[in-house]
Amino acid sequence: KNEVEQSPQNLTAQEGEFITINCSYSVGISALHWLQQHPGGGIVSLFMLSSGKKKHGRLIATINIQEKHSSLHITASHPRDSAVYICAVSNTDKLIFGTGTRLQVFP
Amino acid sequence: DTGVSQDPRHKITKRGQNVTFRCDPISEHNRLYWYRQTLGQGPEFLTYFQNEAQLEKSRLLSDRFSAERPKGSFSTLEIQRTEQGDSAMYLCASSFGINEQFFGPGTRLTVL
Repeated sequence: KNEVEQSPQNLTAQEGEFITINCSYSVGISALHWLQQHPGGGIVSLFMLSSGKKKHGRLIATINIQEKHSSLHITASHPRDSAVYICAVSNTDKLIFGTGTRLQVFP
Repeated sequence: DTGVSQDPRHKITKRGQNVTFRCDPISEHNRLYWYRQTLGQGPEFLTYFQNEAQLEKSRLLSDRFSAERPKGSFSTLEIQRTEQGDSAMYLCASSFGINEQFFGPGTRLTVL
């Protein structure tokens, strides 16, 4: 079993839909990260959180430490949100990654 | 500062050849990480440095792999006697301490 599990693996949506991607982890962590990866490989950090909730524009990330679970929400999705979203956890040093969720938003 | 840079962006080599990749981190960052990502998978940790000290190496890093960060600034990752299974995207990231990691664009290696 992977230490970081994401669901779903693939997700398609119509423009404007509300999207949720889930992440569960089985190890002790100091922080959880949500990352975005576009075709071509570049990875951008969206959120780093250790408790509660963070919001940036149309993106919201939440974490429940007791349940070892995090969600990434995208409100009013747009085709430019199409990318792979990766959940990763850290415990003071390296990141341990999930396999990613491939999101496609159609106009 | 232009962020984390990696060179080359693409490398095609024949099996058995040696290859070397370079990563230039964000200048004030003291930590530098190497990850490897194969198609359809999330990245996997290879090794990381704090300043010039290599603090951890993954079991994925066989004796054919070596990484250096001689002056605590740029880092190199060398793969000797490449194998087809080494084909992957090699990602570098940097951070200041345990804060957010910033990723480079990656080096895509293809071993024929």
